[in-house]
Amino acid sequence: DTGVSQDPRHKITKRGQNVTFRCDPISEHNRLYWYRQTLGQGPEFLTYFQNEAQLEKSRLLSDRFSAERPKGSFSTLEIQRTEQGDSAMYLCASSPGTSGGTDTQYFGPGTRLTVL
Amino acid sequence: GEDVEQSLFLSVREGDSSVINCTYTDSSSTYLYWYKQEPGAGLQLLTYIFSNMDMKQDQRLTVLLNKKDKHLSLRIADTQTGDSAIYFCAESPFRNTPLVFGKGTRLSVIA
Repeated sequence: DTGVSQDPRHKITKRGQNVTFRCDPISEHNRLYWYRQTLGQGPEFLTYFQNEAQLEKSRLLSDRFSAERPKGSFSTLEIQRTEQGDSAMYLCASSPGTSGGTDTQYFGPGTRLTVL
Repeated sequence: GEDVEQSLFLSVREGDSSVINCTYTDSSSTYLYWYKQEPGAGLQLLTYIFSNMDMKQDQRLTVLLNKKDKHLSLRIADTQTGDSAIYFCAESPFRNTPLVFGKGTRLSVIA
């Protein structure tokens, strides 16, 4: 397994369009996290899943954002009616989500979104 | 609320040691992490430390934790040009919970 993968790596869209990003976690990792990173800032938590259940959503996640993990494997993050303020790097991370150990989160390469 | 603070920039000469500092506010922070981010890339886990530890060493990396002062540091021995990147401190109070990150420290290594 080569780690967490994200697709696409880059997305340029016009304001008002919908976009969808995909994240494939490390195989057999139960937990999957989405973070957003803007220029000069650290990643900020958006939402996370334990298998297919969405456990928590940040207040950063407006109603234009929706995330799914339908079969407990890959996840999608959709942004509807994009705004220029949505321009950021969207990072996905996964962790084993089991008892014992640190449950360290491993990050993918990110999807960079530019809204024109 | 939780907050993690880091100095924004650090410049060192190749071969010297680098020390990157971090302070956090949440006294219940149990797990503390250091991640490295190179330009245009995701985050690479470097090391982590539990709150019941004072120090952890891993090859060129040494992590020191002062729980009383809520201060965490990352020392990189024999710093190389390939160490130039942004280093993020992150914490979480419990296992399996989202991380809270600092803004990152940009390390520049001068040859």
